Amino acid sequence: NAGVTQTPKFQVLKTGQSMTLQCAQDMNHEYMSWYRQDPGMGLRLIHYSVGAGITDQGEVPNGYNVSRSTTEDFPLRLLSAAPSQTSVYFCASSTGDAGAYGYTFGSGTRLTVV
Amino acid sequence: AQRVTQPEKLLSVFKGAPVELKCNYSYSGSPELFWYVQYSRQRLQLLLRHISRESIKGFTADLNKGETSFHLKKPFAQEEDSAMYYCALLTLNAGGTSYGKLTFGQGTILTVHP
Repeated sequence: NAGVTQTPKFQVLKTGQSMTLQCAQDMNHEYMSWYRQDPGMGLRLIHYSVGAGITDQGEVPNGYNVSRSTTEDFPLRLLSAAPSQTSVYFCASSTGDAGAYGYTFGSGTRLTVV
Repeated sequence: AQRVTQPEKLLSVFKGAPVELKCNYSYSGSPELFWYVQYSRQRLQLLLRHISRESIKGFTADLNKGETSFHLKKPFAQEEDSAMYYCALLTLNAGGTSYGKLTFGQGTILTVHP
């Protein structure tokens, strides 16, 4: 049982490049979310999903795209990387009863855009 | 809209001293609140859920709906408690089930000195 797995752990991109941050969970969780962590800003929700085929925007969705074709995977796509997207990205998942069990987080992807 | 405020970015105490990390929330519905902890360069871990009214690693947190607060307390701080602490609010729909959205505060870095 690996929990929530994020790849890659580190990435450097040039401005304008695109890439996909991968997130996979093996706990059959319904809910999955992407957050970015910036100093002094806490964690801000980018996109979230309450099930396969269902996604919605969070607090800071601009410049990011998601899809959820399976229960297990929830990739985050950066369409055209900008220096403002330099951050640590966390993926999280939860059962439908998120209030009882909370969210399980991945180990993060540290992204630098130059 | 929901909001979580952690007024202290930094909190320093000495080993053995009591510690209180403040969290205030704004939410029109019935709140589901959590405390998460992030040790240096590690993933976020669930520390406490208000619905379980548990004590984990000596920490407790009581929901005060009148003051809209969910402060985290520990009577005797230990050096291993040094970490980033996040308060988080789960959004529920009118039926009391989760939308899957978890809103975080800005975080408080706790340093416990020997």
